[in-house]
Amino acid sequence: DSGVTQTPKHLITATGQRVTLRCSPRSGDLSVYWYQQSLDQGLQFLIQYYNGEERAKGNILERFSAQQFPDLHSELNLSSLELGDSALYFCASSVVAGPDLNSPLHFGNGTRLTVT
Amino acid sequence: QQQVKQSPQSLIVQKGGISIINCAYENTAFDYFPWYQQFPGKGPALLIAIRPDVSEKKEGRFTISFNKSAKQFSLHIMDSQPGDSATYFCAARGAFSGGYNKLIFGAGTRLAVHP
Repeated sequence: DSGVTQTPKHLITATGQRVTLRCSPRSGDLSVYWYQQSLDQGLQFLIQYYNGEERAKGNILERFSAQQFPDLHSELNLSSLELGDSALYFCASSVVAGPDLNSPLHFGNGTRLTVT
Repeated sequence: QQQVKQSPQSLIVQKGGISIINCAYENTAFDYFPWYQQFPGKGPALLIAIRPDVSEKKEGRFTISFNKSAKQFSLHIMDSQPGDSATYFCAARGAFSGGYNKLIFGAGTRLAVHP
């Protein structure tokens, strides 16, 4: 168990809808990352937060947004959903803004989003 | 320059054999190279990682070999076991626009170890 908690595990919704994915980082970790994993694809970096502030942005669509709250949990909001948004969404955390040898990324078990 | 190319896409190895997965990169600014193991229904889990100032790192049956001049690194799994059957991802960390570090992942290798 990595200590990173993601809810819900599964989410099925219709096109055009909006969903919120939640992540609680490991105790003591200040940095949260969101990754998208499509079928047979690698992990695509979406966005990173460190201690409540946006730190780095990857290939995140304008329809997607995220935030990290004072208690360090994070939420990823996906709106105007399209069929192509169906994927596994992973949250990861690290101690500092890292990652590196002393502050590796620890991943949750993901939220599987299905858009019908 | 921001890509990490991983090969092969899939690999079948007999129990007891050596599994070898290779990764290559272009960006010489990459400075941290972890490998992750992912089982179905689970998130990736850190397996082993290396910095470019060493050429090899071994942890149990898992070894990273790093060739800085060739900009390549590989994962060797010795005495492969059926329980090693999983998807393996290499990754590299580099500084991108804004001065922030990002971890870029390879596309993954699906390993099947047959008994």
